[in-house]
Amino acid sequence: SQTIHQWPATLVQPVGSPLSLECTVEGTSNPNLYWYRQAAGRGLQLLFYSVGIGQISSEVPQNLSASRPQDRQFILSSKKLLLSDSGFYLCAWLSRTNYGYTFGSGTRLTVV
Amino acid sequence: DQQVKQNSPSLSVQEGRISILNCDYTNSMFDYFLWYKKYPAEGPTFLISISSIKDKNEDGRFTVFLNKSAKHLSLHIVPSQPGDSAVYFCAASAMRNTGKLIFGQGTTLQVKP
Repeated sequence: SQTIHQWPATLVQPVGSPLSLECTVEGTSNPNLYWYRQAAGRGLQLLFYSVGIGQISSEVPQNLSASRPQDRQFILSSKKLLLSDSGFYLCAWLSRTNYGYTFGSGTRLTVV
Repeated sequence: DQQVKQNSPSLSVQEGRISILNCDYTNSMFDYFLWYKKYPAEGPTFLISISSIKDKNEDGRFTVFLNKSAKHLSLHIVPSQPGDSAVYFCAASAMRNTGKLIFGQGTTLQVKP
């Protein structure tokens, strides 16, 4: 069965510090992978998606970047965090059965 | 530009009654729609979907209705149960091969015992 792992679950980081959130998928090959963010009181905003190794599409200009070094690994990074980067970050992969996402459990990032 | 809108931030219903969650969209290229359910501090889970070639899809207590002319979809939960209390997101896609989903803001459903 396919599973998606995302860590850490919670993170408190000071302004200006770097960030690295990791997402891995098991039980599937060549998945489409996505990073979403849910800011307080807002919906889910697509940040990045990747259809293959080394392929990254950015949806919104921001302080973040993404990389896909391996088929089943998707990383969200920042060199210097801003207060506005706080939010709930979700990784997802696309099911080709129902064309819906399976989401990871999320990372609650608080920038202080 | 909010292409998918859920205009009701919250909804409260009595256990056993019907819950109706609404969603409007603006992009006529959307051809696939989904509903997700989210509990606090967890990732959303897929609930039900509908293709634009249909106007109704049913799965147990959950039914999604699509009105293409009005660019409107709704999720009906009958009967509502306290465990249904969660945030519900509708989402739409125009590019299934990339799987980019555009989400609404979410509606918080509270089902009272």
